Amino acid sequence: GAVVSQHPSRVICKSGTSVKIECRSLDFQATTMFWYRQFPKQSLMLMATSNEGSKATYEQGVEKDKFLINHASLTLSTLTVTSAHPEDSSFYICSAGSDHGGNTIYFGEGSWLTVV
Amino acid sequence: GENVEQHPSTLSVQEGDSAVIKCTYSDSASNYFPWYKQELGKRPQLIIDIRSNVGEKKDQRIAVTLNKTAKHFSLHITETQPEDSAVYFCAASKGGGGNKLTFGTGTQLKVEL
Repeated sequence: GAVVSQHPSRVICKSGTSVKIECRSLDFQATTMFWYRQFPKQSLMLMATSNEGSKATYEQGVEKDKFLINHASLTLSTLTVTSAHPEDSSFYICSAGSDHGGNTIYFGEGSWLTVV
Repeated sequence: GENVEQHPSTLSVQEGDSAVIKCTYSDSASNYFPWYKQELGKRPQLIIDIRSNVGEKKDQRIAVTLNKTAKHFSLHITETQPEDSAVYFCAASKGGGGNKLTFGTGTQLKVEL
């Protein structure tokens, strides 16, 4: 079946630095990918919709200048957390949908970000 | 936008008993309702889904029911086993791989021996 791969799975960075997380669809083209954030014991909150070849659509309350999203190809979307702070520490997970076979949405493995 | 509510937030059952988790949604245009199981630190795993043209779907010990009029859908797990212990999320979408999912708040299911 379709696979979405996310990298890195874990990253630790210092406050003030930037971190890039990659999301790849391995065997299908994804014109749209989604980025979620999940705090411990909480639900997945949609941060933004990544659109290939155009600007991402951010959910209300999500700072687009802090969470930079680039979707330069049909198989890759990246999320860059800029000027990271400890409160940005979270589980970030992407998803992509393939229109083949209906509405199925596939999730990446997720990335644990710890800002120290 | 869509709002999905999920109950209960925690659920403890004895092994072999049934578990039921309920969700309601607000947007009548939503037509795809998946259920995910998530273990700590891992990606959500799709366990069953239902589309709005179907009222019920079953896959072995797992079933999902949908009431479009009332805008609610439920997950039923029968003959629960310890390995069913996890967090379960419902979600709603307007369909298509390019449509975003709105998740419920999650249910921590614990199956006790």
